Amino acid sequence: NAGVMQNPRHLVRRRGQEARLRCSPMKGHSHVYWYRQLPEEGLKFMVYLQKENIIDESGMPKERFSAEFPKEGPSILRIQQVVRGDSAAYFCASSLGMYQETQYFGPGTRLLVL
Amino acid sequence: GENVEQHPSTLSVQEGDSAVIKCTYSDSASNYFPWYKQELGKRPQLIIDIRSNVGEKKDQRIAVTLNKTAKHFSLHITETQPEDSAVYFCAGRMKTSYDKVIFGPGTSLSVIP
Repeated sequence: NAGVMQNPRHLVRRRGQEARLRCSPMKGHSHVYWYRQLPEEGLKFMVYLQKENIIDESGMPKERFSAEFPKEGPSILRIQQVVRGDSAAYFCASSLGMYQETQYFGPGTRLLVL
Repeated sequence: GENVEQHPSTLSVQEGDSAVIKCTYSDSASNYFPWYKQELGKRPQLIIDIRSNVGEKKDQRIAVTLNKTAKHFSLHITETQPEDSAVYFCAGRMKTSYDKVIFGPGTSLSVIP
């Protein structure tokens, strides 16, 4: 039973480019969460999605950031026109459902903006 | 707003001693409190969790206690080993906000051999 998968594991972008981060939840999990972690800091909630629905995006910057979790395929976190301050580790986690609270984390994508 | 505070931010203990990390939360309706361990460069991994209908849970050298009245919960690690060195995050599930999980800022634990 594969765990949460994320790719790419490392991503380098120049300022102004777009970054696309993908997350495949654990088999059977329909809830996905994205977190951002700056070096030596904690996990900051960004967005909570279910299949085809954004449940809570209160932690996501209003501009340049978007997320989706389509009916088929992985969840995507998209960052447009990246800036150096976007450099961080982005983790996704998945859970079985709303009332199955345990979240399992993927290995993360480390984004570096030059 | 929702908030989870965590203390201390860093903790050093001698191998074999106990380590205690404390967290407080703001949402009195919160009912689920997981603890995660994150080793350097790796993903956070769940080590233990507790629900609000119990006051204590234990798993080998790790235990968590919950005081709902005071809105705080603690992680206890006994007989610490060097491989326990990591950053530990507490978290609480906020009933007032779509059941999302809010993480504390983390505690960096160093176990000195």
